[in-house]
Amino acid sequence: GDSVTQKQGQVTLSEDDFLFINCTYSTTTYPTLFWYVQYPGQGPQLLLKVTTANNKGISRGFEATYDKGTTSFHLQKASVQESDSAVYFCALVEDTGNYKYVFGAGTRLKVIA
Amino acid sequence: GALVYQYPRRTICKSGTSMRMECQAVGFQATSVAWYRQSPQKTFELIALSTVNSAIKYEQNFTQEKFPISHPNLSFSSMTVLNAYLEDRGLYLCGARGQASAETLYFGSGTRLTVL
Repeated sequence: GDSVTQKQGQVTLSEDDFLFINCTYSTTTYPTLFWYVQYPGQGPQLLLKVTTANNKGISRGFEATYDKGTTSFHLQKASVQESDSAVYFCALVEDTGNYKYVFGAGTRLKVIA
Repeated sequence: GALVYQYPRRTICKSGTSMRMECQAVGFQATSVAWYRQSPQKTFELIALSTVNSAIKYEQNFTQEKFPISHPNLSFSSMTVLNAYLEDRGLYLCGARGQASAETLYFGSGTRLTVL
């Protein structure tokens, strides 16, 4: 079945550091890929999505490229702020019309001022 | 914009009792609602996917007898946890999607269930 892997359980950075969160996926379909961010006490919020391979999604300074060759969708940000501290989830949904999401385990980002 | 409200935000129930949680979509028509349970151990577990005018599809390990769901219209869904026990603890999330951006799920803040 489909799967999404986030290798990093937690990432700790200082303000203005570069962020890289790893995400790889496995599927036999042509999925749409997502990054969701979850702040404490809240539900996941859509950060960005990319529907087509080799395209890049950009939102609020974050970006991720749908790389079909390496089956990756890593999240990057040039300069993090303390307010970016949250849990980031990579996810995919198949293009089969069943709209069943598969989520990664999540990466907790802690940014120290 | 698309907003999803869930209530209650938190609930505590005694072991063996039941509780109902609700999900309201605002600003869009929720053609499909997915109910998830989020826990530290299992992150996101899909409970069921409900599409208006279609049968509700439950995932393995989740049943209608335990988690009955109602999705009567394009803005509202509810789910009940019947006969709750400790293993039912967690954050229950409602994710709704509309026709305009059909593959995108918009989540509510969740209902956190504590079972005593």
